[in-house]
Formats: sequence, C-alpha cells, structure tokens
Amino acid sequence: DAGITQSPRHKVTETGTPVTLRCHQTENHRYMYWYRQDPGHGLRLIHYSYGVKDTDKGEVSDGYSVSRSKTEDFLLTLESATSSQTSVYFCAIRRSGSTTDTQYFGPGTRLTVL
Amino acid sequence: QKEVEQDPGPLSVPEGAIVSLNCTYSNSAFQYFMWYRQYSRKGPELLMYTYSSGNKEDGRFTAQVDKSSKYISLFIRDSQPSDSATYLCAMGKGNTDKLIFGTGTRLQVFP
Repeated sequence: DAGITQSPRHKVTETGTPVTLRCHQTENHRYMYWYRQDPGHGLRLIHYSYGVKDTDKGEVSDGYSVSRSKTEDFLLTLESATSSQTSVYFCAIRRSGSTTDTQYFGPGTRLTVL
Repeated sequence: QKEVEQDPGPLSVPEGAIVSLNCTYSNSAFQYFMWYRQYSRKGPELLMYTYSSGNKEDGRFTAQVDKSSKYISLFIRDSQPSDSATYLCAMGKGNTDKLIFGTGTRLQVFP
C-alpha cells in the first residue's frame, strides 16, 4: 500500500462538463504523477509534479490541467470532458529508498464521459 | 514504432509451469527497469526493480535485463492461479520520473 487514495473511484459525466479527480497521499512524497490507462496503449503520463506548485506536462497532457497547492494533494482537471477522455486514471508517487527509486500507484478512478 | 514493445497475450499456462514474460525496447538510454503486476480493476503494484543490467531474484520471480539485446524478461517459477494478472514492464532513463510502460501481458494460470 503506497498510502495513496483517489477520489472519486468511479464517475460518469456528460460531454462538456468539467471534472476534477483528486489524489491524496499520506507519506509526504515530493513527486506525484497522473496517468491514464487505455486498452492497447498501456499507461501514459498526463502530468506530474515535483513539488508544491511545480508541475510539468507528460505525453498526453492536452485537455488536462493539474494543480498542487499542498504536498499531499494532486488534482487533475478536465476542463470540458470529451468522450475520448473516458479512461481509467491512476495517480502515482515516487518513493526513493536504499534499494529502489520508482513509482507506486493508487487504486485508480474509472471515468466515463457520455 | 513504440519505445517499449510487449506481447499482449493472453498467455495461458497450467499451475506449476514456468512463465516467461518479455519486453523489448529501442532506446539504449534506459537504465531503470521495472515489472508491475496489475490485477483486474486494481492499480499496478511494483513486483521487480532493476537498475542497469543483470539478474534479480525475489522468491519465485526473477528479472533479467540484457542491455546489449535491449530485452528484459520476468520469469515466474511454480506459477499459481493467484499469479493470474496483467504484467506491465516499465523503463526509465536518467531517473524514474518519466517511465515508459509496455502495454501489458495478460497471464492466466489455470489449476
């Protein structure tokens, strides 16, 4: 358990509506990530954060924005949801230890845009 | 061409079999290699982590990296029905910030 929670876990929304997904971590990690997972594409990075108010784009950032006002929370916003954004969204943190330095994932949010 | 290629399967094996899962990659800059296991409707969980080349063993799992061939493998010995999941390979270059994932191989182990 990487101490990550995501909310909501499931959401159905309509095209054109704004949607915000929340990722919350309890371990005070500096780096946080948002991915989407689609059949045939695997996990693709949307945005990531390397500190409070410090964010950068990933491979598939168009149509998404993020914010990080506190270490523990990383928000992903779809300003105007489209059907192509129907996906499963995963948040991850980067944990550095003596033998590993890699990413650990949350349980995911299943988003359907009608 | 994708940077990381992974056969999607599905791979179906009997309980007790040795399973071999593989990924190939095209970018020689990759130094960090990981395998994640993902059960249906769950988040990926880290299974194996390797920096640079060589082998790493953890219980029934062995990860191998062959940088000269740009090829990584995950071996599962004495496979169990509980190993039925999708296995994702992932790779990073200078650090583990921007990981590139394979599409995953679905494994089914039947009793």
